[in-house]
Amino acid sequence: QKEVEQNSGPLSVPEGAIASLNCTYSDRGSQSFFWYRQYSGKSPELIMFIYSNGDKEDGRFTAQLNKASQYVSLLIRDSQPSDSATYLCAVLFTGGGNKLTFGTGTQLKVEL
Amino acid sequence: NAGVTQTPKFQVLKTGQSMTLQCAQDMNHNSMYWYRQDPGMGLRLIYYSASEGTTDKGEVPNGYNVSRLNKREFSLRLESAAPSQTSVYFCASRARGESNLRSSYNEQFFGPGTRLTVL
Repeated sequence: QKEVEQNSGPLSVPEGAIASLNCTYSDRGSQSFFWYRQYSGKSPELIMFIYSNGDKEDGRFTAQLNKASQYVSLLIRDSQPSDSATYLCAVLFTGGGNKLTFGTGTQLKVEL
Repeated sequence: NAGVTQTPKFQVLKTGQSMTLQCAQDMNHNSMYWYRQDPGMGLRLIYYSASEGTTDKGEVPNGYNVSRLNKREFSLRLESAAPSQTSVYFCASRARGESNLRSSYNEQFFGPGTRLTVL
């Protein structure tokens, strides 16, 4: 069974700090990775997509992919209270057709 | 564009009752999905439809049926509700029918969710 693992948290960081969220996956051949943000009581929304090894930056968000070690990370710089949410990692496994496999999510709390 | 819409937003059922959750998208997407989300379990795929006229089982299909009515609409039916089906249900859609690993078109857009309680 292809799996996506995340630490459930909560991860608490002070405002202005860097939050680091991690995700590991079981299938070495996987190539597409997504980070979704989900506020309490709301639906998930995509914040980052990464395909290639290395880093991808979008504003305060950086996704890092290491295929050899089978992990993908999300860094949030200058964390704000509005970043407090659950972050879901999702992987498009090879041979998985049109389906994403989601991790259980990491709850992030940014404290004043 | 409304995006992905779901009805109802909330529902309470008694054990054994049936109901249909409705989902519609106005983005001309080919693929549609039904997930359930339970505390500590993340999003689990119930059924999906890669294109109009096709449906396939996901990770947790037991107790559910689906209908891809047309390209816009994808419904989820509970024939005989059980307390274990108490959950939040999300519908999602995706632009492309086929997988393109390099493309962010693999992004799935989610509806607002339906909170279902089965007593």
